[in-house]
Amino acid sequence: DAMVIQNPRYQVTQFGKPVTLSCSQTLNHNVMYWYQQKSSQAPKLLFHYYDKDFNNEADTPDNFQSRRPNTSFCFLDIRSPGLGDAAMYLCATALATNYEQYFGPGTRLTVT
Amino acid sequence: QKEVEQNSGPLSVPEGAIASLNCTYSDRGSQSFFWYRQYSGKSPELIMFIYSNGDKEDGRFTAQLNKASQYVSLLIRDSQPSDSATYLCAVKSPYNQGGKLIFGQGTELSVKP
Repeated sequence: DAMVIQNPRYQVTQFGKPVTLSCSQTLNHNVMYWYQQKSSQAPKLLFHYYDKDFNNEADTPDNFQSRRPNTSFCFLDIRSPGLGDAAMYLCATALATNYEQYFGPGTRLTVT
Repeated sequence: QKEVEQNSGPLSVPEGAIASLNCTYSDRGSQSFFWYRQYSGKSPELIMFIYSNGDKEDGRFTAQLNKASQYVSLLIRDSQPSDSATYLCAVKSPYNQGGKLIFGQGTELSVKP
């Protein structure tokens, strides 16, 4: 059974058209993360939620926003996607007791 | 100096051999270390974690940690073509809330039949 689910798996959007990616988890983990990964690069942390507390990385552009309405769901909003935002977006979850992060399958975003 | 360094590879080993993947880290206060396997086009999969000095074995995988040398490694015994992937070393930052991981650039492993 999938424990961290991301939808959609593939997303095509137009330059400047807002897009929302979703992540859900059945693990009841209290920490959720969003990463951006470009080809042949390491995952880059955008932000994370520790329960309801939002933590933004200092170099995450304002164009990226996130919402976590409850423990199970987390959303990544890209307000005005640029060509440079084309990437794999990864959601991960962890328990605060050990911080072992488990990734979802990712959403591949294409910007045309 | 990068916080977490790995040889980018590619590392090529014959089927059945031992693959040795290495990682060094710069923050001496780091306590938790993780190895992820990532197949091309897929997401990272957690395969090993280690918190204490020494060896930790799980099936064909052994993680080794030497905090004095700030070095962590992953050994894969009896390598199989299905082990061909990029292996990411990740170190949990001791200074941030929320378990932020610092990733290395990954080592590409190729196991030849």
